[in-house]
Order: sequence, then structure tokens, then C-alpha cells
Amino acid sequence: DVKVTQSSRYLVKRTGEKVFLECVQDMDHENMFWYRQDPGLGLRLIYFSYDVKMKEKGDIPEGYSVSREKKERFSLILESASTNQTSMYLCASSWRQGSFDYGYTFGSGTRLTVV
Amino acid sequence: DAKTTQPPSMDCAEGRAANLPCNHSTISGNEYVYWYRQIHSQGPQYIIHGLKNNETNEMASLIITEDRKSSTLILPHATLRDTAVYYCIVRRPNAGNNRKLIWGLGTSLAVNP
Repeated sequence: DVKVTQSSRYLVKRTGEKVFLECVQDMDHENMFWYRQDPGLGLRLIYFSYDVKMKEKGDIPEGYSVSREKKERFSLILESASTNQTSMYLCASSWRQGSFDYGYTFGSGTRLTVV
Repeated sequence: DAKTTQPPSMDCAEGRAANLPCNHSTISGNEYVYWYRQIHSQGPQYIIHGLKNNETNEMASLIITEDRKSSTLILPHATLRDTAVYYCIVRRPNAGNNRKLIWGLGTSLAVNP
């Protein structure tokens, strides 16, 4: 089975801290994604990446950056954490064959609280 | 990508079939229907996808109407472990279209003993 592993299940950080959320997938998937999930708002795409060192902004990239130095790892960075970034963060990956994207595999999520 | 409409919640008795509807009346010809579910405190899990033919796998069946404006996910013998939020998504499965994916709030399915 494809595994998408997120480094932390729960995280508490202080306002203004720089926060790194790590995600690793073990099935050589080209595509990787970062979402946040908030009650009443559903899943919203922050950033995604089609390949190493490539990144694309999603719907809500403000306050976030990403890094993909290796194919299996996609990091989400909160440059200066704020309380409105308290959320569940979900990483996902998917396989691409030609131009066809297959279904996503998600990690278990990181529940981040910024105090 | 087209928007979908799902009922906010449904109930189903354990052992019975759960039929989860999804309306996607603005779907275009090259858009696929995907279904995911999210069990509490976990990430969403891919279930099935289809274009126009009915599809079946070990988890579920997907029935897409002939005009493709709606679909139904069928869990043939629901168990308590199927209690989850089910998301219906419509998208073109091409690189470059991930930005427009609209997840919505899904259907919260409760399977009762």
C-alpha cells in the first residue's frame, strides 16, 4: 500500500514561530499536495508540486511556502505562524501516467495549534 | 471543475446497502467523478472513480446516470467501519487542474447497529 507519512500528529506552536510540516511518500508518486481542513470550509489546497523543485500555488497560499528537494518529500513551511493558521493539515500524493492523474493518497494529518 | 451537491447527512442500518447520491449537473465531457471518504481524525481515502460507465471495486460500486449529471456510490453491505464523511468530486484528471478541485463538505454517513 502507498503510504503517506506526516511527521507529527499534533503540534503546538507559538505565534511568530517558523513551523515546518514534513510529508514523505514511499511510492514514487510525482504529485504531492498540501491541504488544510477547517470545520465548515472543507479541504482547501495550499500548494502542490508536480516534480522535484517544482511548486504551484493552490487556492490559499498566503502565509505558506513549500519545498520539494527530493521526490518523496514535500515540506510545508509557515514562515511566521499566526493563530488563524490553527488547522488540520493534510498531505497527499498521486501518481501521474502521461497527463492522467490518479486518485490521491492522504496522510493521517497534522493538527496544528498556534497559541 | 464542476461543482457537486450532496446531502449533508444520511443514516444506514448495518448490513444494508448504503446509497450515497451526488448531483453534478454542470459536469463536462472530460470530467471524471471521484469518491473519497474520511473517517474521523484520519485523512481522506480514495474509494473509486469513473467517467461514464458504472464501476465496481472491492470497496464500492459507482453508478453514473446516462446524462452524467448525477451519480450514486453504493456500499453493498455497510458496516460500522463505513461511518465516515463521503466526498464526491468532479474533475479533469490532468496535471494542472488540481488547483480547481472543489471538495465541498460531503455526506456524513452514520451506519447504525
